[in-house]
Amino acid sequence: QKEVEQNSGPLSVPEGAIASLNCTYSDRVSQSFFWYRQYSGKSPELIMSIYSNGDKEDGRFTAQLNKASQYVSLLIRDSQPSDSATYLCAVRGSSYKLIFGSGTRLLVRP
Amino acid sequence: DADVTQTPRNRITKTGKRIMLECSQTKGHDRMYWYRQDPGLGLRLIYYSFDVKDINKGEISDGYSVSRQAQAKFSLSLESAIPNQTALYFCAAQDRGRAGELFFGEGSRLTVL
Repeated sequence: QKEVEQNSGPLSVPEGAIASLNCTYSDRVSQSFFWYRQYSGKSPELIMSIYSNGDKEDGRFTAQLNKASQYVSLLIRDSQPSDSATYLCAVRGSSYKLIFGSGTRLLVRP
Repeated sequence: DADVTQTPRNRITKTGKRIMLECSQTKGHDRMYWYRQDPGLGLRLIYYSFDVKDINKGEISDGYSVSRQAQAKFSLSLESAIPNQTALYFCAAQDRGRAGELFFGEGSRLTVL
């Protein structure tokens, strides 16, 4: 079992829709959770972090965390074609290292 | 100007050759990392360094070595390259206390024939 799992996609949504990206993790003592966005041919960049159960909103992005279910998600409201990218879930666990999932490719159709 | 810079950006080499990928950063970050990215496998940690005298192995360190020559410089070496080391390599830097915020370089694409 991978430490951090994501569906590889592609997840295809129409412009203006809500995109929902999901991630599960195996280390129960994980404390910190992050979403990175990676455009094709570019390096990853941090877009969201979440540390407590519940929702955290930042503009069109909402991160959701459920530690009991070992589940973290990213919602993108009013999706735009410029949101088309690969989204990487990252988890900081008991080893203090950042472990990345393999990413979900999002395609927003105009 | 980019915070984290990697050289070379692209390199093609042959099996058995020694390769060095270099990374430098300009903003005084304490910690530096080397990751490789392969399709379907995401980013995997090779080595990391919390300061100049602290070097640690990551998930996939076999076949690699690193050197932290200064706080700003962290190089990755492949002593004898093999084809399954063909990948996109990323260097990243981080400040102590900012657990998940990594600043990535542009990446170095390495092809081993």
